[in-house]
Amino acid sequence: GDSVTQMEGPVTLSEEAFLTINCTYTATGYPSLFWYVQYPGEGLQLLLKATKADDKGSNKGFEATYRKETTSFHLEKGSVQVSDSAVYFCALSGQHGSGNTGKLIFGQGTTLQVKP
Amino acid sequence: DAGVIQSPRHEVTEMGQEVTLRCKPISGHNSLFWYRQTMMRGLELLIYFNNNVPIDDSGMPEDRFSAKMPNASFSTLKIQPSEPRDSAVYFCASSLYIQGRGEAFFGQGTRLTVV
Repeated sequence: GDSVTQMEGPVTLSEEAFLTINCTYTATGYPSLFWYVQYPGEGLQLLLKATKADDKGSNKGFEATYRKETTSFHLEKGSVQVSDSAVYFCALSGQHGSGNTGKLIFGQGTTLQVKP
Repeated sequence: DAGVIQSPRHEVTEMGQEVTLRCKPISGHNSLFWYRQTMMRGLELLIYFNNNVPIDDSGMPEDRFSAKMPNASFSTLKIQPSEPRDSAVYFCASSLYIQGRGEAFFGQGTRLTVV
């Protein structure tokens, strides 16, 4: 079945450091890919998305590129801030017509801690 | 729109009691999801509905759990009887799923503690 694998955390960085959180997936066809962020005590918020190969999703300085050839959707940010400290989830929604109706499959989450 | 609304935000109950969690999805959305989050197992999909019909309930842990969606604007997740291992944060999410596209929007969650 479809699945998502994220790099294990926690990831600890200093402010203004470069961030990469790896995400790879297993799915048939062309799923839609997402990154969600969860701040302490809150629900998940959509950070960015990509719906077809080679698409780049971006938001708030974060970006991720849908790589079909490597089945990856790595999250990057050039300069992190303390306020970026949160848990980040990679997720996929299976290709339409393959029995999927929007079911989201999540990775296990990666905790990011940014220190001043 | 106010987003996905869940109630209550916190629930503390005794083992054996019935617990009902409520969710109001975003108006116009056609898919609704119930997730459970724990430190040990992360984020687990319990059940999801499309156009008020349950599509996949394979994530429901056991018969003590049941979910309903009587109309497009309301869903409940019920645990009867509750057990301490049910303690978790339960999230409801909704999406407008069309032609294979549609991101999910999450509620703030209900933190359930069973003592």
